[in-house]
Amino acid sequence: DVKVTQSSRYLVKRTGEKVFLECVQDMDHENMFWYRQDPGLGLRLIYFSYDVKMKEKGDIPEGYSVSREKKERFSLILESASTNQTSMYLCASSLLGSSWEKLFFGSGTQLSVL
Amino acid sequence: AQKITQTQPGMFVQEKEAVTLDCTYDTSDPSYGLFWYKQPSSGEMIFLIYQGSYDQQNATEGRYSLNFQKARKSANLVISASQLGDSAMYFCAMSFPNTGNQFYFGTGTSLTVIP
Repeated sequence: DVKVTQSSRYLVKRTGEKVFLECVQDMDHENMFWYRQDPGLGLRLIYFSYDVKMKEKGDIPEGYSVSREKKERFSLILESASTNQTSMYLCASSLLGSSWEKLFFGSGTQLSVL
Repeated sequence: AQKITQTQPGMFVQEKEAVTLDCTYDTSDPSYGLFWYKQPSSGEMIFLIYQGSYDQQNATEGRYSLNFQKARKSANLVISASQLGDSAMYFCAMSFPNTGNQFYFGTGTSLTVIP
């Protein structure tokens, strides 16, 4: 069964902490994405990557960085967590196909910054 | 700019009835894909159905069908014979193959199925 795995389902951090959210996929997908989900705002793209060591900013990259050292792993980093980064974070992956490839999602990480 | 709009924050439907969830989009790109995802309370996003911009026929997947009206730029999801397990958030999304398969999502519709 194909999977996108996010390391934590729930996470509680303090303001100013450095936070790592990890995502691993076992489908050999080229594309990986980090989204943030907030009520009434839908899913907003933070960063995406279409290859190892490659990254592209999404719509809301401020306050975040990413790392993709291996094809299967895409990490989201909050350098100094703030309360306005309390949210649900969803990782997704897809093939780099010629057609429209669907996204496969992880189960999400609910991050609370206190 | 690409935009997806879902104007129904919440919907209710009686069990076994059909329901339509609205989605409109805006793009000047002629080549795009339209998707619907379901998100139950567990949080995971589940792919439901897909329609390509050049597809002539409306997509169907079991009880799900996508009412694609290209001229109106709408891609409504129709769920037939609603079940209690259909209660969830539903997201409409649009993707573009020329932008690294970037997806744009609507704000979602919360569907509640009433027994």
